[in-house]
Amino acid sequence: AQSVTQLDSQVPVFEEAPVELRCNYSSSVSVYLFWYVQYPNQGLQLLLKYLSGSTLVKGINGFEAEFNKSQTSFHLRKPSVHISDTAEYFCAVSGRLSGGYNKLIFGAGTRLAVHP
Amino acid sequence: DAGITQSPRHKVTETGTPVTLRCHQTENHRYMYWYRQDPGHGLRLIHYSYGVKDTDKGEVSDGYSVSRSKTEDFLLTLESATSSQTSVYFCAISESGQRSSYEQYFGPGTRLTVT
Repeated sequence: AQSVTQLDSQVPVFEEAPVELRCNYSSSVSVYLFWYVQYPNQGLQLLLKYLSGSTLVKGINGFEAEFNKSQTSFHLRKPSVHISDTAEYFCAVSGRLSGGYNKLIFGAGTRLAVHP
Repeated sequence: DAGITQSPRHKVTETGTPVTLRCHQTENHRYMYWYRQDPGHGLRLIHYSYGVKDTDKGEVSDGYSVSRSKTEDFLLTLESATSSQTSVYFCAISESGQRSSYEQYFGPGTRLTVT
């Protein structure tokens, strides 16, 4: 069965500093990987996704992530964060429901707090 | 933004009362999902639907039922609310197709408090 581990529950960082949010997954089959962002009191918004091809994926708001199959990781990075990046970030991996339909398995989330 | 609305956005109810949450989409997507979000657990799937009148259980379905009589509406019912069902509930939708159906779009959420 697939699972997702987000290694940090909270990440404090100063404005304009780089940040990395770590995500590891376990799966015995090929996977698709996603990062979602949740701003306070809002729903989840897709940040970026890896389906196939280049292992470096670029998303919205200057974020990027690198798929590393040997390390089973999909870490999210941004070279310079802004106050507006303060949010909760969720890593997700593709899976299958018992009826054969597609599903997403989410990590517990990482709260990014950007300080001035 | 995907056209997904949830109602109500906030609700406070008493233990033992029935509660129905509504998800409405304007995207004509085939798949719809209900999740609950709790601190330290991320999002957990309650129920999902793969078509009109076609629904199935997710990983935390006890105490919940769903119905989908139209493509655009997916209802989540708590037959007799308990304090453990205090949570934020999210609806999500996705399209048909092999790879695209993994990508889900989320509604704004409903904050439910059971007292």
